[in-house]
This record gives sequence, C-alpha cells and structure tokens, in this order.
Amino acid sequence: DTAVSQTPKYLVTQMGNDKSIKCEQNLGHDTMYWYKQDSKKFLKIMFSYNNKELIINETVPNRFSPKSPDKAHLNLHINSLELGDSAVYFCASRNRGFDYGYTFGSGTRLTVV
Amino acid sequence: GESVGLHLPTLSVQEGDNSIINCAYSNSASDYFIWYKQESGKGPQFIIDIRSNMDKRQGQRVTVLLNKTVKHLSLQIAATQPGDSAVYFCAELPTGKLIFGQGTTLQVKP
Repeated sequence: DTAVSQTPKYLVTQMGNDKSIKCEQNLGHDTMYWYKQDSKKFLKIMFSYNNKELIINETVPNRFSPKSPDKAHLNLHINSLELGDSAVYFCASRNRGFDYGYTFGSGTRLTVV
Repeated sequence: GESVGLHLPTLSVQEGDNSIINCAYSNSASDYFIWYKQESGKGPQFIIDIRSNMDKRQGQRVTVLLNKTVKHLSLQIAATQPGDSAVYFCAELPTGKLIFGQGTTLQVKP
C-alpha cells in the first residue's frame, strides 16, 4: 500500500545514456513533484505538475524532461546523462491548497559512471 | 534569493536527553514552515508544522518554536531515542513550492 512509489530504487548507468524514472501515487493528490538530493543531502525542487499541467520548472537542464500521463503519474526522463546527474531523485505529491500534505517516495539513487 | 539554512550539520546527543535543532530562514514573507525527518534510504517524512501566526506548536515529543523577529525556528525533541537518528530538515513554503534547508544529522548515542 505504498502511497508514493518510485521505480527503480537504484539505477547505475554510463555517461551519455538516456534513462527514465517512474513515479506513481495512489493518494488521489492532484499535484506531483520531482526533487533532487545531492551528496550533501541538499533537497532542491526540479518540477511540479498539477493535473498533468507543468506549474513549476526550476532552472534544470533541458536534458531533463518530466512527463505526466495522468495526475497519478509523473515520470522523469533524462537524456545524455552526465556525471553531475548522480544524485537521489525524490517524487512527492500533495493536494494543491493543502500546504502540509506533501508525501515523498523513497527515492531513486542514480549513479552515472 | 530564498534560502533556508541550518546552523549545525551534525548534532550528537545521549539517549534520553533533549535535542534542539535550529534553522534560519531568509524570506520574511514565508508564513508556513515544516520540519521533516529523513531516515537512511527513505524519503522525507513530515514531523510537525507551524504557521507564522504562532510562536510554538507541540506534537508528541516534538515542539517547534518560531521567532519571526530573527527569522529562526527550532525543533525540540524530548527524551531522544535511537529511532530519532536521522537527518532533519526545516522547509518553508513560499509561492507553492517547498524549499528545504541543508539538513542536520542527529546522532543518538546509547
């Protein structure tokens, strides 16, 4: 009964490859997010979708492309992976208008070699 | 720009003692703050929140204090237990996006 689930949990890939991370939430939330956590544990927002519409797009290289097929899913596709993309990526969801209701997934650890 | 920062990267306490984790924020327009706990290999989990019209809010073993004058908040954990070992983040919510601080690692010594 995982509320926010991400796959895969671990991803090791070579520089230059293209990879995707998937996220699904079963909470009925209308807004989903991607956060990146670096090696110093700093969490930074990347994207946010509300009902399949992009509402937040931080300064992220255009190699990163989020896709939301429906409000329960938010996937992250990364082209031409670079060493600096190595991090833990967290998906989160909430109902817009309810400040406190952020629920995070358990993260995807991406290692680019 | 906006930033939320923590004073200490690591806090080590004895089991049973009280822990105090501090946070400074820079956006004086922020009116809502949240503390999160992140255990190893997991995502951040909500602990407690506070709105700017309050100075103090208590939960089970946790208390958050907000000082708007100096833009500072703190998380107090009473009778710290080994299960409290984690990274703790303060976060603020201006303009619909959650902004996290750097994080403080809490180590509980048996």
